[in-house]
Amino acid sequence: GAGVSQSPSNKVTEKGKDVELRCDPISGHTALYWYRQSLGQGLEFLIYFQGNSAPDKSGLPSDRFSAERTGGSVSTLTIQRTQQEDSAVYLCASSFDRFSYEQYFGPGTRLTVT
Amino acid sequence: QKEVEQNSGPLSVPEGAIASLNCTYSDRGSQSFFWYRQYSGKSPELIMFIYSNGDKEDGRFTAQLNKASQYVSLLIRDSQPSDSATYLCAVKRQGAQKLVFGQGTRLTINP
Repeated sequence: GAGVSQSPSNKVTEKGKDVELRCDPISGHTALYWYRQSLGQGLEFLIYFQGNSAPDKSGLPSDRFSAERTGGSVSTLTIQRTQQEDSAVYLCASSFDRFSYEQYFGPGTRLTVT
Repeated sequence: QKEVEQNSGPLSVPEGAIASLNCTYSDRGSQSFFWYRQYSGKSPELIMFIYSNGDKEDGRFTAQLNKASQYVSLLIRDSQPSDSATYLCAVKRQGAQKLVFGQGTRLTINP
């Protein structure tokens, strides 16, 4: 079946602009995660959604970052007033439910802030 | 001190030999442990997970966990050039959902 999909695959934006990144999890997966991977910081957790429960936002680095998940499926990560330090690969992952060990990663969105 | 530490490498191993990748973690509340492989420019893919002390084998891969020493390792037997990648160690705390990753070890298998 189809894996996790993300769009766009690449995004170049000017400092100060807002960006939206999209994630489509594997069909039937109720848990969805956002991570980002940068050279200096490695792979770090941003936010977790599970069904209709309140999301775990503990990894969001600042209030410029927000995410939503509509209808328990597609998720959008929004970064407002982008800064150069936001440049990274943003990875989305999904798992069947919160008890599952396996998290399946999407191909990522490479964000470059100029 | 980082929560999850790995030697960044590069680790160079001849083809056919055993590659040994190591990871230490600081949180004693960590319950489950994961090894991901990441090829350059690609997303991480799960190789193995382990949650009990001891060894877990899957084909050419063996994960080893020692909770007392807060140490987890991955052995790759009969290393192949296609095993050349960055290997990420990740841990999950009991009751939490997020994975905490190490910086990764870059492994090169030389033909």
